Amino acid sequence: QQQVKQSPQSLIVQKGGISIINCAYENTAFDYFPWYQQFPGKGPALLIAIRPDVSEKKEGRFTISFNKSAKQFSLHIMDSQPGDSATYFCAASTVSGYSTLTFGKGTMLLVSP
Amino acid sequence: DVKVTQSSRYLVKRTGEKVFLECVQDMDHENMFWYRQDPGLGLRLIYFSYDVKMKEKGDIPEGYSVSREKKERFSLILESASTNQTSMYLCASRTQGSTGNTIYFGEGSWLTVV
Repeated sequence: QQQVKQSPQSLIVQKGGISIINCAYENTAFDYFPWYQQFPGKGPALLIAIRPDVSEKKEGRFTISFNKSAKQFSLHIMDSQPGDSATYFCAASTVSGYSTLTFGKGTMLLVSP
Repeated sequence: DVKVTQSSRYLVKRTGEKVFLECVQDMDHENMFWYRQDPGLGLRLIYFSYDVKMKEKGDIPEGYSVSREKKERFSLILESASTNQTSMYLCASRTQGSTGNTIYFGEGSWLTVV
């Protein structure tokens, strides 16, 4: 099974700080890297995604940084807010319509007021 | 808005019972998925279906089966529930064409097997 390794398992950040979650993958054929956000009692929802033709993608306070040579990508949450407290999953796959996402094990983020 | 509905949010079943988890999506998506979510283990794929009547095993299919008789409905079946199948189960759907298409998840079904 192709793995996606995610760290840290949990993270506490003060309001206004930067939250950083890291993921590493093994399969060099992966070419789609989404992040999902899950609030308690809800299913995960797509937050932001990147393809390997760019090294960074930003949407509001959320940024994905991608390092193809290192086979690593990370999620940065700027100006973290208590409403960002959730579990975050990175994932990876090939773009082929018949492949499936491989998820990391998740990071529980708590942003303290 | 895309909606993936899991009709049973919380279930308590006895060991050995047959359990059906139902999922319906309203966006005419071809692909549907069943995941299991456990603390520290993330999301693990049980089964998926590319289209009606089709099914493929995921990473942890043992002890489970699925049924997809209609495009909008994908059922997960536990033939003989065991305590190690106590978990949260997530159904998801996606339009066919590219894995880059967004996967939409339901809110989950919490299953406790006693």
